[in-house]
Amino acid sequence: DQQVKQNSPSLSVQEGRISILNCDYTNSMFDYFLWYKKYPAEGPTFLISISSIKDKNEDGRFTVFLNKSAKHLSLHIVPSQPGDSAVYFCAATYRNSGNTPLVFGKGTRLSVIA
Amino acid sequence: DGGITQSPKYLFRKEGQNVTLSCEQNLNHDAMYWYRQDPGQGLRLIYYSQIVNDFQKGDIAEGYSVSREKKESFPLTVTSAQKNPTAFYLCASSITGQGAGDTQYFGPGTRLTVL
Repeated sequence: DQQVKQNSPSLSVQEGRISILNCDYTNSMFDYFLWYKKYPAEGPTFLISISSIKDKNEDGRFTVFLNKSAKHLSLHIVPSQPGDSAVYFCAATYRNSGNTPLVFGKGTRLSVIA
Repeated sequence: DGGITQSPKYLFRKEGQNVTLSCEQNLNHDAMYWYRQDPGQGLRLIYYSQIVNDFQKGDIAEGYSVSREKKESFPLTVTSAQKNPTAFYLCASSITGQGAGDTQYFGPGTRLTVL
């Protein structure tokens, strides 16, 4: 049973426009969420995170929104650039878990078209 | 330069052979992890270790073994019991493994192909 779901396997966006990547989770105990970006044949790199005490976190062109009641988060990239083309993974965990690593979604492949 | 290194980048082995993948970090992180990535499957956790001389099974530990004798090293052995070993293997580390939203940092990965 998937606890973190990324229902769109792929997304295509024009350069300069907004990219919105979505993620849903089922475990209400999750209280910390992360986004990673991955290029082919490389390890994922950390992008941005958000704690459940917030509903928005911004870092440059990247903003993550959290809707706890809907158990949904999204990553907005504005403006999108060709170098943003990669697979994006959503991950979740919960504080004071003592023993619980991150739970990852299956990823969404973003293609930014020039 | 601080970071996580995995070697080799590409690895080939014959069916029925064991093979060990290396993962080293000089970030002074307590926790280390092994994941496997298959097309369309995302990242699946194999094993993790929150402290030296201790480790726990992840979601797909069957056919794999690990050791954590040193803080900076967490080698993964893919045994002949692993039915589908061909995959991209990723090692990661975090400051601690005690929740609290600990961010994981990944190495570059090893592509294992079984011939």
